Amino acid sequence: DSGVTQTPKHLITATGQRVTLRCSPRSGDLSVYWYQQSLDQGLQFLIQYYNGEERAKGNILERFSAQQFPDLHSELNLSSLELGDSALYFCASSADTPGNQYFGPGTRLLVL
Amino acid sequence: AQTVTQSQPEMSVQEAETVTLSCTYDTSENNYYLFWYKQPPSRQMILVIRQEAYKQQNATENRFSVNFQKAAKSFSLKISDSQLGDTAMYFCAFMKHNFGNEKLTFGTGTRLTIIP
Repeated sequence: DSGVTQTPKHLITATGQRVTLRCSPRSGDLSVYWYQQSLDQGLQFLIQYYNGEERAKGNILERFSAQQFPDLHSELNLSSLELGDSALYFCASSADTPGNQYFGPGTRLLVL
Repeated sequence: AQTVTQSQPEMSVQEAETVTLSCTYDTSENNYYLFWYKQPPSRQMILVIRQEAYKQQNATENRFSVNFQKAAKSFSLKISDSQLGDTAMYFCAFMKHNFGNEKLTFGTGTRLTIIP
């Protein structure tokens, strides 16, 4: 158990819908990262937050957004969902920057 | 941009044997970190080992060790006395030493099967 929690574990929704994925980092970790793992794209970095502020952006679609709240949990919002958004979404956290990133169990999203 | 290449999509080895997974990377950076992550069938991403580029000594964690060749941009993982629980996808990852952008860039992975 990495200490990073993610909810929900599984999510099934339809095209065009909007979903919110939630992540709670390890106690004391200020950095949160979101990654997408899909069959065709592999593991891709989406976005990083540090103590409530956006720190870095990767290949994140405009339909996707994220935020980190004062209690340091983070949410990834996916809207206007397409079939190709089906993937495993990971949240990771780290205490140091740069430092080891510890991953949550992931949220498996299936868009039908 | 950094790229990470894992040229062995699949490998298998008998239990208790030693296996080496290969990884090469391309970067113009001088300071960076390299990692190996393990993803068992549960899909959890587990950090196995980390290497700082400025350190000449190869990192070791119990049965896991790396062979880091900076000039060749090579970073292989050796698993000694392999166990059934080592069966997993293994991902090599690169991170720049850059405060403000600590994203991990992953390779495509090597699927390792330990045969009883």
